[in-house]
Amino acid sequence: GESVGLHLPTLSVQEGDNSIINCAYSNSASDYFIWYKQESGKGPQFIIDIRSNMDKRQGQRVTVLLNKTVKHLSLQIAATQPGDSAVYFCAENIDRGSRLTFGEGTQLTVNP
Amino acid sequence: NAGVTQTPKFQVLKTGQSMTLQCAQDMNHNSMYWYRQDPGMGLRLIYYSASEGTTDKGEVPNGYNVSRLNKREFSLRLESAAPSQTSVYFCASGQGLNTEAFFGQGTRLTVV
Repeated sequence: GESVGLHLPTLSVQEGDNSIINCAYSNSASDYFIWYKQESGKGPQFIIDIRSNMDKRQGQRVTVLLNKTVKHLSLQIAATQPGDSAVYFCAENIDRGSRLTFGEGTQLTVNP
Repeated sequence: NAGVTQTPKFQVLKTGQSMTLQCAQDMNHNSMYWYRQDPGMGLRLIYYSASEGTTDKGEVPNGYNVSRLNKREFSLRLESAAPSQTSVYFCASGQGLNTEAFFGQGTRLTVV
């Protein structure tokens, strides 16, 4: 079936560097995408979302880019901090919002 | 404002036992979801309820049943627990179409 997947299972960066986490999706009907952050022992927390009629959306230190041509989504974190260490998931909203499908996740480790 | 509350937080069951995981949200959301998360993996949708009075199967519904008791509450039942159902279970709620879902803290279930 169609699914959301991630290119890299782990990413290690130095504190202060910028991080880029990638996500590939295959459902061309998806029109809404979300990035979640999950810290150890906790539930996923919303970071940022983007609708399919947009290419880019910025938040506080985070930017999401959507390339519908190649079905690719990325999350950019500026000036990565130790508190950013977590697993990051992308999710796509299908069936007109009735459910979210998640990718496998990328473990981001920020080294001091 | 508690958000999404799951009970219990931890549970150990013997094979064949039954139990119900409870979930309640106080955000007046229409949609509610149950996911399971296995080690090193993303979240897989078990069941969802797009609105009060409706429930639908997700990716991995076998061995589970759900009840949308009212708009606030969405329970997940394991009728005869199996070791393969050892996992962390997350309940989530949202307004549905093109909006993010909010997650509870999870229930860590072990079936021995």
